[in-house]
Amino acid sequence: AQRVTQPEKLLSVFKGAPVELKCNYSYSGSPELFWYVQYSRQRLQLLLRHISRESIKGFTADLNKGETSFHLKKPFAQEEDSAMYYCALRRNTGFQKLVFGTGTRLLVSP
Amino acid sequence: NAGVTQTPKFQVLKTGQSMTLQCAQDMNHNSMYWYRQDPGMGLRLIYYSASEGTTDKGEVPNGYNVSRLNKREFSLRLESAAPSQTSVYFCASSGQFRGLNTGELFFGEGSRLTVL
Repeated sequence: AQRVTQPEKLLSVFKGAPVELKCNYSYSGSPELFWYVQYSRQRLQLLLRHISRESIKGFTADLNKGETSFHLKKPFAQEEDSAMYYCALRRNTGFQKLVFGTGTRLLVSP
Repeated sequence: NAGVTQTPKFQVLKTGQSMTLQCAQDMNHNSMYWYRQDPGMGLRLIYYSASEGTTDKGEVPNGYNVSRLNKREFSLRLESAAPSQTSVYFCASSGQFRGLNTGELFFGEGSRLTVL
């Protein structure tokens, strides 16, 4: 069975500081990894996916198969980055439903 | 386009009462999902419908039933509500590209349910 672990419930940083939200997964096959974000009073939405290899709002995430990790990083946090972040995995066989981690709340203070 | 619309937004029930959460999407998506969100537990999949006419259990299906009424609508029913079902419920949908599920979920605004 697949599992996603986000060890930090809350991450608090100051504006301009680097941010790393951790995500580890367990899955025997080749998964597809995603980061979803929920800003205050907004819907949960896709932030980025590993196959796109893109930077969204300054965030990047690299899939490390050796460490089974997909950490989300941003070099300089902004106050508007404050939100709930969920890492999610889907397997590459069968119907590809998403399994979510428990989420990390990022709080960026001025 | 409204995207994914779910109703009601808030509901308070007494233990043993029944209710149905409604969800509709206007994006012509094949797949629809119901998740519950609890503090410290993240999002857990209750039921999903890969395509019109099919439904399957997710991680936490006990105490719930679903109906995929048509391609647009996917409802979640609590037959006999329990305090453990107090949660925020999210409906979501996803489309396909070249026959494969894209993996991008579009979520509703959520329904906050309290069972006393």
